[in-house]
Amino acid sequence: DTEVTQTPKHLVMGMTNKKSLKCEQHMGHRAMYWYKQKAKKPPELMFVYSYEKLSINESVPSRFSPECPNSSLLNLHLHALQPEDSALYLCASSHGTGFGAFFGQGTRLTVV
Amino acid sequence: GENVEQHPSTLSVQEGDSAVIKCTYSDSASNYFPWYKQELGKRPQLIIDIRSNVGEKKDQRIAVTLNKTAKHFSLHITETQPEDSAVYFCAASVDYGQNFVFGPGTRLSVLP
Repeated sequence: DTEVTQTPKHLVMGMTNKKSLKCEQHMGHRAMYWYKQKAKKPPELMFVYSYEKLSINESVPSRFSPECPNSSLLNLHLHALQPEDSALYLCASSHGTGFGAFFGQGTRLTVV
Repeated sequence: GENVEQHPSTLSVQEGDSAVIKCTYSDSASNYFPWYKQELGKRPQLIIDIRSNVGEKKDQRIAVTLNKTAKHFSLHITETQPEDSAVYFCAASVDYGQNFVFGPGTRLSVLP
């Protein structure tokens, strides 16, 4: 299995909702990532879990909360989002240091 | 922190010609440089990467060169085909791939 699987593919949520994005990989990768990508922009790193240790991009608002239940699963919990948070959210995984990341197909999030 | 610049922002070539995209980085400690291809509406895909102890790497029609002294690296695509049309992102990492900083992207159009 060489895939990073993300669910859902599309999500529309109101500013008072709570939702979660899910990501799964079965490649034995020990690093998993959340990226945010706005239209015509490069991916921006939000969070990294490496060997189940979290690194945070300090510019990410607290309304985004990552969770790594195990080395194959990565969640992103969303609460009280703003319309400007609408974007493509990409999960990725890699073997770890020295290896490139493999991306999932993304969740296109719209906040209304 | 690391800053990655990428040029040109758009590039049009005739089918069969070569395309070159150049990136510069600011942090001399950067040691890993992947390139990603992103087709419209799809996920970024790793196409080639290079580590700081290597000056050049080739994979069929794609090659990457690295000049550590000048802090720049380039993607070379030979014999371009229409399916090479996409946005290409370079990236740099100071910890062998745990955290990437992406360049702003180059939109490549291969004209038949």
